[in-house]
Amino acid sequence: DTGVSQNPRHKITKRGQNVTFRCDPISEHNRLYWYRQTLGQGPEFLTYFQNEAQLEKSRLLSDRFSAERPKGSFSTLEIQRTEQGDSAMYLCASSLPGTGYSPLHFGNGTRLTVT
Amino acid sequence: RKEVEQDPGPFNVPEGATVAFNCTYSNSASQSFFWYRQDCRKEPKLLMSVYSSGNEDGRFTAQLNRASQYISLLIRDSKLSDSATYLCVVTAARDFNKFYFGSGTKLNVKP
Repeated sequence: DTGVSQNPRHKITKRGQNVTFRCDPISEHNRLYWYRQTLGQGPEFLTYFQNEAQLEKSRLLSDRFSAERPKGSFSTLEIQRTEQGDSAMYLCASSLPGTGYSPLHFGNGTRLTVT
Repeated sequence: RKEVEQDPGPFNVPEGATVAFNCTYSNSASQSFFWYRQDCRKEPKLLMSVYSSGNEDGRFTAQLNRASQYISLLIRDSKLSDSATYLCVVTAARDFNKFYFGSGTKLNVKP
């Protein structure tokens, strides 16, 4: 399967701990996105990369959140000093470059529970 | 104001029914439009892109109305397997690499 891959699938952590998630995009996709989704809501944009460059970060992304894509391939999303409000599904998606009509392809997501 | 708004539903319909969802978007300069399907506790999956002239894929028809700033999804001959949440997606006006999602419309197809 050459789709978007995310690890881990589930993460349970105690408040105050740091967590890191990994995303491997579809190989020919140079754009990579992170979204967060809570129950009953649509995915909320967090950040996106074109190759290794982080082009935009949402205001939702506090200083405790950091994302990297060091070699323009896989990406990591780290949350420091987790809070219960961080509990959500974290979705990674990738897309081809284009002038439009290049949809997002999502991974299975990482479900984070902060206790 | 949210960039994309959808009726959350749920829409409860019998098998074989025709059902339609609308989605409104706030920025008239938005460029690209999509419908995604999301099953419970799963990732969103692309259902179809929405083109200016409208497009059809089997039982699914998508329409774009730029004048009124809405897109629609019509499902004919509903199947039990169509039960899911349908997400409307619009790209930003100045950056079509930035995607905004609606909160989704839940569809329940009943036998």
